[in-house]
Amino acid sequence: RKEVEQDPGPFNVPEGATVAFNCTYSNSASQSFFWYRQDCRKEPKLLMSVYSSGNEDGRFTAQLNRASQYISLLIRDSKLSDSATYLCVVNMPIGNTPLVFGKGTRLSVIA
Amino acid sequence: GAVVSQHPSRVICKSGTSVKIECRSLDFQATTMFWYRQFPKQSLMLMATSNEGSKATYEQGVEKDKFLINHASLTLSTLTVTSAHPEDSSFYICSARDVRGQNTGELFFGEGSRLTVL
Repeated sequence: RKEVEQDPGPFNVPEGATVAFNCTYSNSASQSFFWYRQDCRKEPKLLMSVYSSGNEDGRFTAQLNRASQYISLLIRDSKLSDSATYLCVVNMPIGNTPLVFGKGTRLSVIA
Repeated sequence: GAVVSQHPSRVICKSGTSVKIECRSLDFQATTMFWYRQFPKQSLMLMATSNEGSKATYEQGVEKDKFLINHASLTLSTLTVTSAHPEDSSFYICSARDVRGQNTGELFFGEGSRLTVL
């Protein structure tokens, strides 16, 4: 089983739509969780951290379910500029370890 | 916020040559930097962990003699792809954490270096 799994998509949605991405992780001891955004041929950039209680940042809502080892990202009122690949990222618990990335979910928002 | 600068952003070279990629942390010190590689439509794959003042730690399947890593200071790590071949063509990205925030989790990424080996 891969450490971090995501549906690769692509998700093609119209402007204004609500879209949700899911992600599962295999290491139950994982401590930190993030969603990164990566535009084509660019480096990943942090979109938001994911907290146990769930958190919201504008149109973006992240949820964490530790029991199911599941993370989600909800985007409301999609904009054309939201088109990108969304990477689910997990931090292993010990020391200064690198992040583990999912393959990403491709989103295309269509006018 | 913290900034990581990577250079060059794009390089095209002939097969058999060596290419050096630099990664600098501009406003913080990084005892550890991470080198990732990303092939088209694939996820970022960790190649190695670069440790200041000591040897790099390579992931399984990554040849340490082919991908030379030097982390000579707290702000600079270099990756040298030796005797590059077309299959080494990829997007190489470095990343680092601020030493003061080892437990925050967020990584700051360089802009990436796109290597094309002819």
